[in-house]
Amino acid sequence: ETGVTQSPTHLIKTRGQQVTLRCSSQSGHNTVSWYQQALGQGPQFIFQYYREEENGRGNFPPRFSGLQFPNYSSELNVNALELDDSALYLCASSTDRGSTNEKLFFGSGTQLSVL
Amino acid sequence: AQKITQTQPGMFVQEKEAVTLDCTYDTSDQSYGLFWYKQPSSGEMIFLIYQGSYDEQNATEGRYSLNFQKARKSANLVISASQLGDSAMYFCAMREAATSNTGKLIFGQGTTLQVKP
Repeated sequence: ETGVTQSPTHLIKTRGQQVTLRCSSQSGHNTVSWYQQALGQGPQFIFQYYREEENGRGNFPPRFSGLQFPNYSSELNVNALELDDSALYLCASSTDRGSTNEKLFFGSGTQLSVL
Repeated sequence: AQKITQTQPGMFVQEKEAVTLDCTYDTSDQSYGLFWYKQPSSGEMIFLIYQGSYDEQNATEGRYSLNFQKARKSANLVISASQLGDSAMYFCAMREAATSNTGKLIFGQGTTLQVKP
């Protein structure tokens, strides 16, 4: 059973550019969520995809967008990068949209630096 | 407003000793779940333990136990017999029933634990 994998592991971009981060969910999982973790902070929920549809979103602007593919892998796209977007981006997968006891399985993240 | 508070930015513990990491939460929902995750320097968040709001018994998973005090809205993690590999960042998190199908997990600020040999 393969776990959650994310690519790339590190990325450096310039302010104003666009970036795409990728995530492969754990085998058997149909739900993917994305989190932003600034340095020294806890992760913040960006959004969740269930069966290729966004079904939940945190307090992030529309320039943060995503996709989920039929094989349940996912992309996070960020347009018009700002310096504050520098963070660790974590992808998590689960077997369902989320009952209160639904456990998330996380990848190791993509460290994005915006200069 | 829903919130998780971890008041200990950093903790030290001697190897083989027990340590308690504090977590308090705020929610108006009657049904919720509480989680603890470990984040080593590699970045991956590793699930440790879960406690449901209606669970009458405190959760235990190997060396991890959760001291759940519902009236005080606290869910402290107890690690027994600390090992050097326990050195990491620890996060308390909550999912409320009202938003559970959106996948939203609310995290605290985290506590850095260092185990001394």
